[in-house]
Amino acid sequence: KQEVTQIPAALSVPEGENLVLNCSFTDSAIYNLQWFRQDPGKGLTSLLLIQSSQREQTSGRLNASLDKSSGRSTLYIAASQPGDSATYLCAVKGGGSNYKLTFGKGTLLTVNP
Amino acid sequence: NAGVTQTPKFQVLKTGQSMTLQCAQDMNHEYMSWYRQDPGMGLRLIHYSVGAGITDQGEVPNGYNVSRSTTEDFPLRLLSAAPSQTSVYFCASGPYPREEQYFGPGTRLTVT
Repeated sequence: KQEVTQIPAALSVPEGENLVLNCSFTDSAIYNLQWFRQDPGKGLTSLLLIQSSQREQTSGRLNASLDKSSGRSTLYIAASQPGDSATYLCAVKGGGSNYKLTFGKGTLLTVNP
Repeated sequence: NAGVTQTPKFQVLKTGQSMTLQCAQDMNHEYMSWYRQDPGMGLRLIHYSVGAGITDQGEVPNGYNVSRSTTEDFPLRLLSAAPSQTSVYFCASGPYPREEQYFGPGTRLTVT
């Protein structure tokens, strides 16, 4: 059974700092991995999708990497801003006929002005 | 595009009542799914559909029914609400099951 773990559970940083959020998964037979952002009381906003054949994806100040063989992904946020404060969720899509997204429990990020 | 929309935003039910959570998307996506989010549990898949007329069970389907009569709509029915169904429910859609998934704003349900 696929399990997704996100470390740390919470992170507080000063504005301007570069930071890394970690995601690990137990079954490397994934189709893709998706990073989401969730603001309090809101839905999930897709940030980046990495296919299993890719090593990384970039969007603005965000860079996500994937090492499928070791079951790890990182989300790098450059020059963090208070508006980046949110919960960041990592989810993996299994291979074969398994269409389920398996989610981690998230990292709560607070960026202090 | 409105994207994925869900109604209602909030709902309070008494144990034993039934209701339908609505989900609609205007992106012509074939794949739609329902998740529930509980504190400390992460999001879990309830039901999904790979196209009109085709639905299947996810990880936690008990107590819920779905149908997919059109590409746009994917309602989730609670047959007889129980306090254990208190949760935040998210609908998602994507062009295909393995492509990027887009989530709605959620419905916060409380069963007393």
